[in-house]
Amino acid sequence: GENVEQHPSTLSVQEGDSAVIKCTYSDSASNYFPWYKQELGKGPQLIIDIRSNVGEKKDQRIAVTLNKTAKHFSLHITETQPEDSAVYFCAAWSAAGNKLTFGGGTRVLVKP
Amino acid sequence: DTGVSQDPRHKITKRGQNVTFRCDPISEHNRLYWYRQTLGQGPEFLTYFQNEAQLEKSRLLSDRFSAERPKGSFSTLEIQRTEQGDSAMYLCASSLGGGSEQYFGPGTRLTVT
Repeated sequence: GENVEQHPSTLSVQEGDSAVIKCTYSDSASNYFPWYKQELGKGPQLIIDIRSNVGEKKDQRIAVTLNKTAKHFSLHITETQPEDSAVYFCAAWSAAGNKLTFGGGTRVLVKP
Repeated sequence: DTGVSQDPRHKITKRGQNVTFRCDPISEHNRLYWYRQTLGQGPEFLTYFQNEAQLEKSRLLSDRFSAERPKGSFSTLEIQRTEQGDSAMYLCASSLGGGSEQYFGPGTRLTVT
């Protein structure tokens, strides 16, 4: 089955700096890669996603890149703000498995 | 608000008791998923429904767990004879078809004492 690895597990950045989170996946048939933000006591919130026919996608301060050959994808947050502090999860969708497999999460702390 | 809702938000129960959780998906979504999330981990897939049909179950879903979606709308997840290891956040998500955006509810936090 699909395996998704996420790094780093924690990330501390100064407000205004950039944050980068990286994920790798194992199933070459995976074709959809969402990113979720989870705040304490809440459910995961979809913040951006990318499909396998696209190499990069951007939405304001957030961007995601995908390298299908290397089977890795990354989340980039620019000009970080304290409200960006949360746990971020990457995930991969495998049509064969009909499910999302999540990475272990990255706890991001933005220091003012 | 027309997002995914879950009830209850918190449940404390004694070991051996049965518990039932409810999920109301986004109304036009035909797929409904259940996940379990333990502290410090990502959500783990448990099962999913396409309309009222339960199409896949994870091996994490022991025979003490049962899920239903009788009319293809809301779903219930029941855990019988709860164990301390069942303590977790139970998340529900819905989507419009497979490989589409999944939107999560706020979760039900279960504590088994």
